[in-house]
Amino acid sequence: DVQMTQSPSSLSASVGDRVTITCRASQMIDNKLNWYRKRPGKAPELLLYGTYNLPSGVSSTFSGSGFGADFALTISRLQHEDAGIYYCQQSYTMPYTFGQGTKVEI
Amino acid sequence: QITLKESGPALVKPTQTLTLTCTFSGFSLTTSGVGVGWIRQPPGKALEWLALISWDDDKRYRSSLKSRLAIAKDTSKNQVVFTVTNTDPKDTATYYCGRHIHGHSYFDSWSQGFPVTVSS
Repeated sequence: DVQMTQSPSSLSASVGDRVTITCRASQMIDNKLNWYRKRPGKAPELLLYGTYNLPSGVSSTFSGSGFGADFALTISRLQHEDAGIYYCQQSYTMPYTFGQGTKVEI
Repeated sequence: QITLKESGPALVKPTQTLTLTCTFSGFSLTTSGVGVGWIRQPPGKALEWLALISWDDDKRYRSSLKSRLAIAKDTSKNQVVFTVTNTDPKDTATYYCGRHIHGHSYFDSWSQGFPVTVSS
């Protein structure tokens, strides 16, 4: 299975800050990397797919980069509603695998 | 608007079969490129993908659990049924279903999550 490692495991930042979360795959996965957010009491939400594609309705403050094995999610201006746990997921090969999560506190 | 909701028992005894139903609206499982998958999160652990059923009835399972898992769809009811046989306390987790989009292979809509405890 492809192992996904996120960094950091948690972070604390202020409203308006720029925040970056990284995700490393144990093998090359092209650009098959998706990002999700889980907020308390809510369903997980898709933030980015295919490394940098923004789904309809997702704020443009989210952006993604990377290729191969190293990826990053950047929130350009942190908002209160961005608090939650962020997960990366590889879709290059089955079984799909997720990172362990990055908890973002504001 | 796309919604998905799980239903089933919140508590099952070890060795019993866990059956969960995902009832969805806002899309059809007859649409090409669409699927429904199941993902779980044991307490304190990472999300774990379990199974996927596609519009063409193709079924995929996590290989390490394949012998215990089954997934099926009822397109007339907009439901996907997922079973885990011979349950163990390690199957205690919050279970999610999600709409899967082929190509980039992502889950673009998720259910709220359904906690299941396996305990005698």
